Amino acid sequence: GENVEQHPSTLSVQEGDSAVIKCTYSDSASNYFPWYKQELGKGPQLIIDIRSNVGEKKDQRIAVTLNKTAKHFSLHITETQPEDSAVYFCAASRGGGSQGNLIFGKGTKLSVKP
Amino acid sequence: KAGVTQTPRYLIKTRGQQVTLSCSPISGHRSVSWYQQTPGQGLQFLFEYFSETQRNKGNFPGRFSGRQFSNSRSEMNVSTLELGDSALYLCASSLDASGAKETQYFGPGTRLLVL
Repeated sequence: GENVEQHPSTLSVQEGDSAVIKCTYSDSASNYFPWYKQELGKGPQLIIDIRSNVGEKKDQRIAVTLNKTAKHFSLHITETQPEDSAVYFCAASRGGGSQGNLIFGKGTKLSVKP
Repeated sequence: KAGVTQTPRYLIKTRGQQVTLSCSPISGHRSVSWYQQTPGQGLQFLFEYFSETQRNKGNFPGRFSGRQFSNSRSEMNVSTLELGDSALYLCASSLDASGAKETQYFGPGTRLLVL
């Protein structure tokens, strides 16, 4: 089955710096890759997602890149702010239907120091 | 639009008891998935329901079960609770888990503590 590995497990940056989180997946049939942000005491919140027919997607300070050949995808956060501090999860799935369940990485705890 | 709601938010049970958790999806969403989150194992898929039918199942014992009602609301049940069942149980809904509508939105979760 699918396996998703996520690195690093913890990341500390200064406010204003960039943060990069990387994930690799094993199932070449995976075609949907969301990223979630989870704050303490809350459920995961979708922040950006990308499908396999796209190589890069941006939304303000957040961008995701996908390399299908190498089976890895990355989250880039620019101009980090203290409110970006949270645990970030990457996930992969085969898309909708009966195979739409998400396989998650173990998470990255991001700390942004003022 | 209201988000995914889950009740109760917190629950304390003892070993051997059973528990039922409830999830109301975003209005119009037809697919409901359940996930278990623990510090050791992370986020793991339990099962997914669509049109009142279990369409996909993760690798959990038969003590974990669920159902979906005609209004898309879902419940999950855990029987004969074990200490290791202590976790945050998350429900996620999607518009229609087929084609390009697979984006899943999570609720706040139910934190279950088994003593």
